[in-house]
Amino acid sequence: KQEVTQIPAALSVPEGENLVLNCSFTDSAIYNLQWFRQDPGKGLTSLLLIQSSQREQTSGRLNASLDKSSGRSTLYIAASQPGDSATYLCAVRTGDTDKLIFGTGTRLQVFP
Amino acid sequence: GAGVSQTPSNKVTEKGKYVELRCDPISGHTALYWYRQSLGQGPEFLIYFQGTGAADDSGLPNDRFFAVRPEGSVSTLKIQRTERGDSAVYLCASSSGRNQPQHFGDGTRLSIL
Repeated sequence: KQEVTQIPAALSVPEGENLVLNCSFTDSAIYNLQWFRQDPGKGLTSLLLIQSSQREQTSGRLNASLDKSSGRSTLYIAASQPGDSATYLCAVRTGDTDKLIFGTGTRLQVFP
Repeated sequence: GAGVSQTPSNKVTEKGKYVELRCDPISGHTALYWYRQSLGQGPEFLIYFQGTGAADDSGLPNDRFFAVRPEGSVSTLKIQRTERGDSAVYLCASSSGRNQPQHFGDGTRLSIL
């Protein structure tokens, strides 16, 4: 059974720092991995999608990497801003199903 | 529409009542998903539609839960004889294909008193 873990559970940093959020999964037979942002009381906003054949994806200040064989992904946030404060979730899609299996998220606070 | 739309945004009802939650996916998206999110947890899968048919309903917790998508667009999640443990945020997502991202609505916050 696929399990997804995110470390740390919470993170508080001053503005301007570069951050790394970690996601690990137990079954390396994934189809793709997606990173999301969730603001309080809101739905999920898709940030990046990495296919199983890819090593990384970049969007603006965000870079996500994937090491499928070791069951790990990282989300790198450059030059963090207070507007980046939110919960970040990773989710994997296994090869035999279209559902996403989520981690419990990392709650990020960036203070001025 | 521009994004996934879910109505109502909030629903409060008494234990034992019947509720319907509506999801309007992004236009043209053939795949539609329902998830449930409890406080402090990641979303948990309920059911997935490809077109009008339920391709995977393995996440529905019991037979009180049912979902339909009769015309391959709007979907309704139906919960009978609601229990307090059904209280959660119900999220809907849609996608244009297996290798495409899932896009989520803002959810319906369901509270069973």
